[in-house]
Amino acid sequence: QVQLVESGGGLVKPGGSLRLSCAASGFTFSDYYMSWIRQAPGKGLEFVSYISTSGSALHYADSVKGRFTLSRDNAKNSLYLLMNSLRAEDTAVYYCARGRNTYGPWGQGTLVTVSS
Amino acid sequence: QSALTQPASVSGSPGQSITISCTGTSSDVGTYNSVSWYQQHPGKAPKLMIYDVTSRPSGVSNRFSGSKSGNTASLTISGLQADDEADYYCNSYTSSSTVVFGGGTKLTVL
Repeated sequence: QVQLVESGGGLVKPGGSLRLSCAASGFTFSDYYMSWIRQAPGKGLEFVSYISTSGSALHYADSVKGRFTLSRDNAKNSLYLLMNSLRAEDTAVYYCARGRNTYGPWGQGTLVTVSS
Repeated sequence: QSALTQPASVSGSPGQSITISCTGTSSDVGTYNSVSWYQQHPGKAPKLMIYDVTSRPSGVSNRFSGSKSGNTASLTISGLQADDEADYYCNSYTSSSTVVFGGGTKLTVL
């Protein structure tokens, strides 16, 4: 069945970096846009970034532009989010999802905590 | 890009119908038929319930339906069941090529 599994979350100090990964299975990964969406503790969903099938087109939320970099490896059925210059307000569960603006399915999420 | 506007909470009794609104602007909901709705139970990942305003993914109950009028999209749940109690989010594609979510609505089944 279609499955997305995120990894790479953890505790990082302000200003630090983290790389999230999302492993996809059960579908032709290279046929789909992919996205990251995050959810701060007790808050709503926030779009982070999406990437086109080939990786040639990307879009970022203003809140992460210039700090986060999204990439994909279609040969490895994997999606990556490199997060630099992390801030306390980046603390959230980060979800990988299939699609550009219609998301289904979603991974289980990985928690990123930015704290000193 | 401002978030779409949803009521913070709605409630209904088992068997009743409820409707959750999602209000945007002419730059998102009003222009694009790319409105989706998601259900999220506590501690779980969101689940796609409605896409492209009115379409239901395979496996989603036909008790869930979507509609749109002008800048406002709506999710209607008929025949409320206890398991429908969850948070619901809408989202839309925008003219800035980005994606915007609503603030979420907590549905309580009384």
